[in-house]
Amino acid sequence: IAGITQAPTSQILAAGRRMTLRCTQDMRHNAMYWYRQDLGLGLRLIHYSNTAGTTGKGEVPDGYSVSRANTDDFPLTLASAVPSQTSVYFCASSESGLNTGELFFGEGSRLTVL
Amino acid sequence: GQNIDQPTEMTATEGAIVQINCTYQTSGFNGLFWYQQHAGEAPTFLSYNVLDGLEEKGRFSSFLSRSKGYSYLLLKELQMKDSASYLCAGTDSNYQLIWGAGTKLIIKP
Repeated sequence: IAGITQAPTSQILAAGRRMTLRCTQDMRHNAMYWYRQDLGLGLRLIHYSNTAGTTGKGEVPDGYSVSRANTDDFPLTLASAVPSQTSVYFCASSESGLNTGELFFGEGSRLTVL
Repeated sequence: GQNIDQPTEMTATEGAIVQINCTYQTSGFNGLFWYQQHAGEAPTFLSYNVLDGLEEKGRFSSFLSRSKGYSYLLLKELQMKDSASYLCAGTDSNYQLIWGAGTKLIIKP
């Protein structure tokens, strides 16, 4: 089934550890995004990529990094996790970076930093 | 500033109609989305409005007034499976999405 796959589904992590959340899509979409979702807040954009080889900062980029080596993969790395990064992380993709069409979301990665 | 406002929670009865409102303020505006999100799941696309007016899609309709910075999602013939959060999102001048916190809709028998 075509779509977006995220891994891991959930993870408990000690503060200070490095963590990479994986995201792969097989729809050949140009644009990919990482969001975090916290109770009482809207989805907040962390980083995005409008096409392979390019990335951009979203609303809350601090403490996170991304890479886009190819069209399909868009990993999110927490270099040194802190408790405030406890959240549900969603990867998403769209045909273009203009956000004029549907966003397709992965199932989410629930991260707890202790 | 940029802001999307929608009610935190609404309750409705199975078989009834409910309207979920959304007001937005974005620096430049290119369109408005509605997504549905069931608890513990990913958001899924419902509608996208660019022009003023009502767009109907089965039991769900979405309305936009650009001059008033206002949109609503109308759900008819409510079913128990419609219990979910409904997310409103507007695009800004850089074509990035600004999301509301979501409206949790509770359907009672």
